[in-house]
Amino acid sequence: DQQVKQNSPSLSVQEGRISILNCDYTNSMFDYFLWYKKYPAEGPTFLISISSIKDKNEDGRFTVFLNKSAKHLSLHIVPSQPGDSAVYFCAASALISGYALNFGKGTSLLVTP
Amino acid sequence: ETGVTQTPRHLVMGMTNKKSLKCEQHLGHNAMYWYKQSAKKPLELMFVYNFKEQTENNSVPSRFSPECPNSSHLFLHLHTLQPEDSALYLCASTTSQGNRNEKLFFGSGTQLSVL
Repeated sequence: DQQVKQNSPSLSVQEGRISILNCDYTNSMFDYFLWYKKYPAEGPTFLISISSIKDKNEDGRFTVFLNKSAKHLSLHIVPSQPGDSAVYFCAASALISGYALNFGKGTSLLVTP
Repeated sequence: ETGVTQTPRHLVMGMTNKKSLKCEQHLGHNAMYWYKQSAKKPLELMFVYNFKEQTENNSVPSRFSPECPNSSHLFLHLHTLQPEDSALYLCASTTSQGNRNEKLFFGSGTQLSVL
């Protein structure tokens, strides 16, 4: 049973505009959320995280928003750049499971010039 | 270079072959992981080693056999695999398992094809 869902397999955005990647989860015990970015032929790399005690975390062009009541989080990239083109994975963890990460299927972002 | 090196990058094997995947981390971490990424599926956790002790086996079939001789090296021994085992196998490491703020560092993966 998939506990972390990224329902959009792909997204295309123009350079300079905002990219919004969405993630939904079903397990209310999740209390820590992460986004990873993956380029072809490379492993995923950590991008940004958020604890359930916050509703927003910002790091440069990247902001993650968390809506606990809706069990939803989103990653905003502003402004989007061609180098942001990659697959983005949402992941969630809970203390009860030793913080093992549960990943979504990923969303492939294409930023066009 | 993330500090986690996986070899080989690509592997093609028959169902009767025996092969091994290797992972090495140069980050001084104590926890190492094997993940499987199949097409159109989320990354699936397979095994976790924390301070060389296996702490998690996520119901993985016995045709996959992990080995962790020390905190820097992790192997995945493969035998009598099935075509549905074809996937990208990713190794990851972190300082130690079970810390909320720990980030996983991934290798580039081994793309495995089972014929």
